[in-house]
Amino acid sequence: EDQVTQSPEALRLQEGESSSLNCSYTVSGLRGLFWYRQDPGKGPEFLFTLYSAGEEKEKERLKATLTKKESFLHITAPKPEDSATYLCAVQANRLGGGSYIPTFGRGTSLIVHP
Amino acid sequence: DTAVSQTPKYLVTQMGNDKSIKCEQNLGHDTMYWYKQDSKKFLKIMFSYNNKELIINETVPNRFSPKSPDKAHLNLHINSLELGDSAVYFCASKSQGRQFFGPGTRLTVL
Repeated sequence: EDQVTQSPEALRLQEGESSSLNCSYTVSGLRGLFWYRQDPGKGPEFLFTLYSAGEEKEKERLKATLTKKESFLHITAPKPEDSATYLCAVQANRLGGGSYIPTFGRGTSLIVHP
Repeated sequence: DTAVSQTPKYLVTQMGNDKSIKCEQNLGHDTMYWYKQDSKKFLKIMFSYNNKELIINETVPNRFSPKSPDKAHLNLHINSLELGDSAVYFCASKSQGRQFFGPGTRLTVL
């Protein structure tokens, strides 16, 4: 069974204090790792897709990286508006072929204090 | 224009009732999903439809029945609601792995 574990569960930062969120995964046949941001009362919003180890993607203060076992979401000099829950999801082959099942981690709740 | 929309936004009902949640996407995607998000924010997939055909049903009780009249719509009907069904339900559509989520429906069963 595919496993996705995110850490820490919650993170409090001061504005400008850089940090990283972790997403560890155990899947057979990774077909993509995805990062989403979820604000309270809203649906998750897509941030990045990573497909192979060594790949990196950047958007403003966020940078996502991927290895064969985990992904990191680096937040550089965060601002209060970066406060949200960050979700990691993997998409992998099913045993014996068939459709992909997206599996989500439980998320990291980030609060950035001014 | 809203890409993925859900109605209603909030749903409060009594145990034992039957209710439906509607979802529509205007993105032209072939694949749509229903997710349940519990109080601890864990997103668990319930159903997936690809071009109107059910392709995943992840051990969801048969009180839950998805219905797709066309590939732009995926509705969720729930019979005999139970307290444990209280959660936020999200509809999503997918293109090239990336998912587009609706705003969610908060279901409260009293």
